[in-house]
Amino acid sequence: EIVLTQSPATLSLSPGERATLSCRASQSVGSYLVWYQLKPGQAPRLLIYDASTRAAGIPARFSGSGSGTDFTLTISSLEPEDFAVYYCQQRSNWPPLFTFGPGTKVDIK
Amino acid sequence: EVQLVESGGGLVKPGGSLRLSCAASGFPFTDAWMSWVRQAPGKGLEWVGRILSKGGGGTTDYAAPVRGRFTISRDDSKNTLYLQMDSLKTEDTAVYYCAWVQKTVGGFDIWGQGTMVTVSS
Repeated sequence: EIVLTQSPATLSLSPGERATLSCRASQSVGSYLVWYQLKPGQAPRLLIYDASTRAAGIPARFSGSGSGTDFTLTISSLEPEDFAVYYCQQRSNWPPLFTFGPGTKVDIK
Repeated sequence: EVQLVESGGGLVKPGGSLRLSCAASGFPFTDAWMSWVRQAPGKGLEWVGRILSKGGGGTTDYAAPVRGRFTISRDDSKNTLYLQMDSLKTEDTAVYYCAWVQKTVGGFDIWGQGTMVTVSS
């Protein structure tokens, strides 16, 4: 079973700053890594898939990179609406099983 | 509009049962792989289980904490996904989301709004 770890647990930043979030897999997941944003009282929102492809409607300030076991989600300049919890997720090839990381909370400094 | 609407959450005693429903609209449900994901209070997202389309074999898989207690099923004639939860434990308390598994994404593109399940005596 692949385990995902995310760091840091909490990132305290100001609007306009750059956020860099890390996700590490216990073994290679290729490029099959997805990122979500979760805000209180809302459903999760798909941000990035295939490690670096932005989902439809996602602003260009969100970018993903990495392959194998190390992945990064970057928010180039934080907007007030970006303060949330971010999760990475991987899918095994077959049968399709899913694992989430523990999340990184981006809060206002 | 693509939409998933969960229902059936509530308060149940430990050892009890509950069935959640998820009504889908706006996309070809018959061909869709579907999942349930939960979030316990103050905790992160946890994958619960998945069902393939009938054309894909209709098979189910579950996360270890719920295997043997939870059952996912689907009624394609009603565009509805179900989660039967038996032998509930206090640690099953969570918001339960149904989600459409986008095969090209390898993840969950469309989510419902969630339904709260509280297991408490």
